[in-house]
Amino acid sequence: EVQLVESGGDLVQPGGSLRLSCAASGLTFSTYSMNWVRQAPGKGLEWVAYMNSMSSIYYADSVKGRFTISRDNAKNSVYLQMTSLRGEDTAVYYCASSFGHLDNWGQGTLVTVSS
Amino acid sequence: EIVMTQSPATLSVSPGERATLSCRASQSVSSDLAWYQQKPGQAPRLLIYRASTRATGIPARFTGTGSGTEFTLTISSLQSEDFAVYYCQQYNNWPRTFGQGTKVEIK
Repeated sequence: EVQLVESGGDLVQPGGSLRLSCAASGLTFSTYSMNWVRQAPGKGLEWVAYMNSMSSIYYADSVKGRFTISRDNAKNSVYLQMTSLRGEDTAVYYCASSFGHLDNWGQGTLVTVSS
Repeated sequence: EIVMTQSPATLSVSPGERATLSCRASQSVSSDLAWYQQKPGQAPRLLIYRASTRATGIPARFTGTGSGTEFTLTISSLQSEDFAVYYCQQYNNWPRTFGQGTKVEIK
């Protein structure tokens, strides 16, 4: 059974930084593309970032230049380094594996940006 | 950016009835279209990919159709566990984009 477990969500001040982690099990992690998707309170889903097994990376325009996705295949983990955080970044952040479509999702970690 | 538009925003359906949800893309996404179900407090779950292929463990009452710019998710006979929010998502172009969701509620 595939499991994705996010961690690192917290309350952070505007302008601050935070690093999210997602630990994967039950899949051959090194062969999977990984994504971060977020959901603001009471809102819909927004795709944030993608990284494949060959280290190709894409970002949503809303986070480009502020967020960095990375992975450590030895630790079966993907990360999202978030800097210059804004109120509109407040959301539950999900990691999800993908073969195009997002086939496995974690339960999410809450990031709150507020003073 | 490809804009995905779902309709209706809310669908009121009685248990046992059919529900039809629509998703329109602002430009062709071929068959690179997925549907997800999300219940309150839970992560989204993949239902359909490649526009019409059911994900593992998804009941046959869920059917996806369409290609290009027009897509439909049909739930043939709504069960109590099907009342949720449904999202479509294209994965043909970057950035990946979701529709705003359709809430299926009990009538």
